[in-house]
Amino acid sequence: DTEVTQTPKHLVMGMTNKKSLKCEQHMGHRAMYWYKQKAKKPPELMFVYSYEKLSINESVPSRFSPECPNSSLLNLHLHALQPEDSALYLCASSQEVRLREQYFGPGTRLTVT
Amino acid sequence: AQSVSQHNHHVILSEAASLELGCNYSYGGTVNLFWYVQYPGQHLQLLLKYFSGDPLVKGIKGFEAEFIKSKFSFNLRKPSVQWSDTAEYFCAVNALLTGGGNKLTFGTGTQLKVEL
Repeated sequence: DTEVTQTPKHLVMGMTNKKSLKCEQHMGHRAMYWYKQKAKKPPELMFVYSYEKLSINESVPSRFSPECPNSSLLNLHLHALQPEDSALYLCASSQEVRLREQYFGPGTRLTVT
Repeated sequence: AQSVSQHNHHVILSEAASLELGCNYSYGGTVNLFWYVQYPGQHLQLLLKYFSGDPLVKGIKGFEAEFIKSKFSFNLRKPSVQWSDTAEYFCAVNALLTGGGNKLTFGTGTQLKVEL
């Protein structure tokens, strides 16, 4: 099973709202990732978690706050977002952070109004 | 920092035509190379990967890619495309970072449309 699941599929939020995106994998992978993908563009790395610890933050604004409660779950907490943050947010996982292939979830389509 | 360039942004082919999508990367260290595909309305799927060994790698759905180290290239090929191959194709490079960890960098993507 190479499935990464993400909820919700779609999310509309105002600039003053607080919301969370969730990601789950049951492949025993120890590395998990958040990416942002704008329309007609490639995914861009936001955060990397390795063994439940944040290992890479690609200079992402603090209005995005990642959390890894356990090895299977990854959250992205959103607060005071801007309209330009509207995008597809992708979660991925890999066996570990060592050049292994990453498996992607279907994404959450976020619209900030 | 590594970078990935895909030469063709939009490709239109007729069914049964042969396909070759170019990909070049820029990075001097150890890399692993991937092609991902994103079908309309679906999530990114791994098409094939190169870690080491035989530079000609075969993936799913009849796709293959050749790693040419001297040219920093990893071109994707398929002898005969089908209408169902219509999708966005991303080349990606996973490279070790000097500070530890690794980063997967995607090319800009190639939108392939196969016409009946």
